[in-house]
Amino acid sequence: SQTIHQWPATLVQPVGSPLSLECTVEGTSNPNLYWYRQAAGRGLQLLFYSVGIGQISSEVPQNLSASRPQDRQFILSSKKLLLSDSGFYLCAWKPRRVSETQYFGPGTRLLVL
Amino acid sequence: KNEVEQSPQNLTAQEGEFITINCSYSVGISALHWLQQHPGGGIVSLFMLSSGKKKHGRLIATINIQEKHSSLHITASHPRDSAVYICAVPDYSGGGADGLTFGKGTHLIIQP
Repeated sequence: SQTIHQWPATLVQPVGSPLSLECTVEGTSNPNLYWYRQAAGRGLQLLFYSVGIGQISSEVPQNLSASRPQDRQFILSSKKLLLSDSGFYLCAWKPRRVSETQYFGPGTRLLVL
Repeated sequence: KNEVEQSPQNLTAQEGEFITINCSYSVGISALHWLQQHPGGGIVSLFMLSSGKKKHGRLIATINIQEKHSSLHITASHPRDSAVYICAVPDYSGGGADGLTFGKGTHLIIQP
């Protein structure tokens, strides 16, 4: 069966520090991968998606970037964190050939101080 | 881009009550998700439905594709049902990768 992992589960970082959040999927190949963010008091928002290795699309301009170095690995990064980057970050995947079925990771709670 | 509206935003009810949460969207879709988010933050997919009705335990989800509307019902509600319930639809503007657009969620509290 397929599983999705995210780490770390929680993270407290100072403003201006770098960020790296990792997401990995097991038990499937060629998935579409997604990063979502939930800021405090707001709904979930799509940040990035990827349909293959090295292919990243951004939905909103921001202080973050994403990379997909391997088929089942999706990384969210920042060179310098802002206070506004605080939030709950969710990774999700879906099978490439099946539309509109997404599976969510456990999430990473990021607090920037 | 699809716009998703959920109501109510907050709902407090007594244990045993029948709960209804509504979701409307602006652009026609072929399927809709209902998600549950517990206080710890983790999200669980409850339903993905494209027509009619689905039932899982005490949870029932219905969708009317023509009216662009879905409802989530909880029968015999229990305090453990307390969570945020989120409606989500595909975002077809995403170049075919079908990221989701989410409603703002309904914060449900069931009191004993």
